[in-house]
Amino acid sequence: AQSVTQLDSQVPVFEEAPVELRCNYSSSVSVYLFWYVQYPNQGLQLLLKYLSGSTLVKGINGFEAEFNKSQTSFHLRKPSVHISDTAEYFCAVGEEGSEKLVFGKGTKLTVNP
Amino acid sequence: DARVTQTPRHKVTEMGQEVTMRCQPILGHNTVFWYRQTMMQGLELLAYFRNRAPLDDSGMPKDRFSAEMPDATLATLKIQPSEPRDSAVYFCASGLVRAGGARETQYFGPGTRLLVL
Repeated sequence: AQSVTQLDSQVPVFEEAPVELRCNYSSSVSVYLFWYVQYPNQGLQLLLKYLSGSTLVKGINGFEAEFNKSQTSFHLRKPSVHISDTAEYFCAVGEEGSEKLVFGKGTKLTVNP
Repeated sequence: DARVTQTPRHKVTEMGQEVTMRCQPILGHNTVFWYRQTMMQGLELLAYFRNRAPLDDSGMPKDRFSAEMPDATLATLKIQPSEPRDSAVYFCASGLVRAGGARETQYFGPGTRLLVL
């Protein structure tokens, strides 16, 4: 069965600084990888996803992520964050042959002025 | 903008009472997922349906939880009797998902925040 580890539960950064949120997964078959964002008191919304092809995936709000098969990672990056990026970010993995997603425990990103 | 809606948004109840949460998926989506979010466990899949048929409810406590889709526009999650440990945020998500197709995006509702006293 697949699993997801988000290595940092909280990441504080200053506005306009770069940020990387780390995600590692475990699976024995082909995977699909997702990053979702949850703003306070809201549901999750998709930031970006990797299905196949180019390992660098660009998403909304200036975020991007890179799929690294050898390191089983899918880290999320943004070169310059804004106060409005303060939210909780979830990495998720799905496997070919299943409809289910398994989510990581989440990383709370706090952007300080 | 099509959205998943959930009612109620907040629910406070006493231990032993029945709780019913409702979800209206996005029109045209064939798959509905129920998740529970807690600080300790994170986001857990409870059950899901495709074309209104239950496919997997292995994440759900069988003795007190039940999930149904009486029609294509309504999914329900019931807890009877409720217990304090059921306090959590319950999310519904929908998607246009083919069999074995985890690649499709899931669209989440705003959640029902449940507190059982």
